[in-house]
Amino acid sequence: GENVEQHPSTLSVQEGDSAVIKCTYSDSASNYFPWYKQELGKRPQLIIDIRSNVGEKKDQRIAVTLNKTAKHFSLHITETQPEDSAVYFCAAVSGGYQKVTFGTGTKLQVIP
Amino acid sequence: SAVISQKPSRDICQRGTSLTIQCQVDSQVTMMFWYRQQPGQSLTLIATANQGSEATYESGFVIDKFPISRPNLTFSTLTVSNMSPEDSSIYLCSVNRHNEQFFGPGTRLTVL
Repeated sequence: GENVEQHPSTLSVQEGDSAVIKCTYSDSASNYFPWYKQELGKRPQLIIDIRSNVGEKKDQRIAVTLNKTAKHFSLHITETQPEDSAVYFCAAVSGGYQKVTFGTGTKLQVIP
Repeated sequence: SAVISQKPSRDICQRGTSLTIQCQVDSQVTMMFWYRQQPGQSLTLIATANQGSEATYESGFVIDKFPISRPNLTFSTLTVSNMSPEDSSIYLCSVNRHNEQFFGPGTRLTVL
């Protein structure tokens, strides 16, 4: 089955700096890669996603990149703000089965 | 988006007892997914519930411990049987709509 690794497990940045979270996956059949933000005590919320036919996608301060050959994908947050502090999960989804395999999570702390 | 509700939102149970968690979706879906999130951990898929057939369990999860019902296309239940403190977790149901995964608010279970 699919295996998703995520690094780093914790990340502290100063407000205004950038944050980068990296993931790798194992199943070449995975073709959809969502990123979730989970605030304390709340459900995971989709913040951005990328599909295998695209190499990069940007939404305001958040961007994702995908390298299918290397099976790597990354989340980039620019101009970080204290409200960006949360746990972020990457995930990989295989084809029609819709099964989502999550990474281990990154706890991001933005220091004011 | 998908509107998903779960009952109960939280419960404290004695070891050896069972708890049934309900999940209701605002419209019909083919598959419903049950995840477990242990304290400070990522989300792990327990099983996939299809209407009219037995649930498909992931490695490490068995039907006797986590029986699932799926009586129609908008509802599912997950039972945590013969509970032990190790079952203390958040249990989330999830659906896929238009290739996006949505999560219920979760059920926070504490087993004493």
